[in-house]
Amino acid sequence: QLQLQESGPRLVTPSETLSLTCTVSAGSISSSSYYWGWIRQPPGKGLECIGYIQYSGNTYYNPSLKSRVTMSVDTSKNQFSLNLSSVTAADTAVYYCARHVYGRGLGYWGQGTLVTVSS
Amino acid sequence: DIQMTQSPSALSASVGDRVTITCRASQSISSWLAWYQQKPGKAPNLLIYKASSLESGVPSRFSGSESGTEFTLTISSLQPDDFATYYCQQYKSSWTFGQGTRVEIK
Repeated sequence: QLQLQESGPRLVTPSETLSLTCTVSAGSISSSSYYWGWIRQPPGKGLECIGYIQYSGNTYYNPSLKSRVTMSVDTSKNQFSLNLSSVTAADTAVYYCARHVYGRGLGYWGQGTLVTVSS
Repeated sequence: DIQMTQSPSALSASVGDRVTITCRASQSISSWLAWYQQKPGKAPNLLIYKASSLESGVPSRFSGSESGTEFTLTISSLQPDDFATYYCQQYKSSWTFGQGTRVEIK
């Protein structure tokens, strides 16, 4: 059974960079059919796509976050990562990593990690 | 970007009721639409993909349909485990989620 697990600091200082890694186990990150995404959910609110990446390095970033987002993939470690710079309190959210198989939606999700932006 | 308008934002229903939730896309997304169920403190769970295909392991009381740019999730007979929040998501062009529908006990 494929598993995804987010890791990274739970508390980030305003204006700093939020960095998270998603480790994929029981499955390979390397397939052109897979899109590895980051989705966030502010407390009590809905889901927002931050962006996604393929193992080849092709990326999509949400236009509203594009100037602050960088994603990368490390196939040797079966991991992909998110960097969100210049964070503010508005970036406080549960951050999920997830896998989309072409045409089939987001079938696997990490458990999510709450990241709080505060001094 | 494609916008998804989901309605209602919340509804109250009883066990055994038939429940429908609607999502309207701002432009054609063909059938590239998924539905998710989310319970408090948990990650979303995929129910339906490609507008009407049932994900493996999902009960058959869940179904999806489409008419043009309008998509519907139907729960044929609401069960106690179904009280949750439901989201639609288009994946025709990037990914966009609807605002969510909270299904509450009447």
